[in-house]
Amino acid sequence: KAGVTQTPRYLIKTRGQQVTLSCSPISGHRSVSWYQQTPGQGLQFLFEYFSETQRNKGNFPGRFSGRQFSNSRSEMNVSTLELGDSALYLCASSNPAGLQETQYFGPGTRLLVL
Amino acid sequence: EDKVVQSPLSLVVHEGDTVTLNCSYEVTNFRSLLWYKQEKKAPTFLFMLTSSGIEKKSGRLSSILDKKELFSILNITATQTGDSAVYLCAVEPSAYSGAGSYQLTFGKGTKLSVIP
Repeated sequence: KAGVTQTPRYLIKTRGQQVTLSCSPISGHRSVSWYQQTPGQGLQFLFEYFSETQRNKGNFPGRFSGRQFSNSRSEMNVSTLELGDSALYLCASSNPAGLQETQYFGPGTRLLVL
Repeated sequence: EDKVVQSPLSLVVHEGDTVTLNCSYEVTNFRSLLWYKQEKKAPTFLFMLTSSGIEKKSGRLSSILDKKELFSILNITATQTGDSAVYLCAVEPSAYSGAGSYQLTFGKGTKLSVIP
């Protein structure tokens, strides 16, 4: 089974721009979660989507948004980028129907904001 | 607010040593505690613990959960240089339905360095 894929892997943007990151979950997984990882704060939960609906949301400003498509692929968008948005953005997929099912992470998108 | 604290933050050991990594937590409606290993890429899943006192083992790695005292430990015996990584502990709350909420709260991680 192919793993979680994320594109692009690396991205450089300047302050004020916006960015869209993409995540394709493991086949059959319907839940997709997004996390931000920085050296200072560690891994922090952004939001989770299931069946095209946002089920959970972390404590991030409204500049961070996401969506999920009918094929379970998900995108996250960050508008008006700030220097502090530089981070590794990780996507994880899960199968809610599975017992003892955990989240499987993609390789991440490393975003650098200049 | 859910909280996960890992200790130590970093650890340097020699090959062959045994290490114990600690994770304490506070979470509303606990469902599971997870351990991940992260090298220079995505975290990879190690263990999921839901029941107290039951040890999970995989080769030289093992983990146990104490739900009364709200902590877990990850043991690595006979460490190898390939064990060098950041080990992350996360807790998952239970959704109203009892299923997973898929909103993990992570600790800051323990950086393990194994020197030859």
